[in-house]
Amino acid sequence: DQQVKQNSPSLSVQEGRISILNCDYTNSMFDYFLWYKKYPAEGPTFLISISSIKDKNEDGRFTVFLNKSAKHLSLHIVPSQPGDSAVYFCAASLIQTMRFGAGTRLTVKP
Amino acid sequence: GAGVSQTPSNKVTEKGKYVELRCDPISGHTALYWYRQSLGQGPEFLIYFQGTGAADDSGLPNDRFFAVRPEGSVSTLKIQRTERGDSAVYLCASSLSSGRGETQYFGPGTRLLVL
Repeated sequence: DQQVKQNSPSLSVQEGRISILNCDYTNSMFDYFLWYKKYPAEGPTFLISISSIKDKNEDGRFTVFLNKSAKHLSLHIVPSQPGDSAVYFCAASLIQTMRFGAGTRLTVKP
Repeated sequence: GAGVSQTPSNKVTEKGKYVELRCDPISGHTALYWYRQSLGQGPEFLIYFQGTGAADDSGLPNDRFFAVRPEGSVSTLKIQRTERGDSAVYLCASSLSSGRGETQYFGPGTRLLVL
């Protein structure tokens, strides 16, 4: 049961431009949504989260938007930097059990 | 400070063998989680501990998989009669508590290859 889906396996953007990563979920009971970033041979590292009672959370260059009616969230990175190149995982939490999407590989070109 | 550590970093075994994977959480973190990540997929939840007890083991695929956390700190994931399909990266994470939205901190994972 794939409750969290990231339909774009890869995304390539130019340095300085906006990166938009998308995520869809099916379970309306999820209460927290998170984005994790993963470099090769490392574990995922937490990036930003949003509670289900909010529709936007911003932290520096990173903003997460939540549209509960569409069961959709997105991560905006602006401006994108080459060091942002990594795999980004969307995750949804119900109590303490997290479900992850399959990830989107972001490449930021100089 | 020290993050989550996992040993071994790589493990190669033969089909049918028994393996143990170890996780050392961040000191003071009461919640500990195990995930499995197959190639091209996101981490898949296996089990989580609050203290010494397994609070949710609904993700364990079958009874060949078992995990313990006897003293509420280090945890061991045990796989009996390994199969080729068990090959994956096994990730461990810990969090300060099991409250809503509590951030989970991941270790680097153990890459298991079953031949």
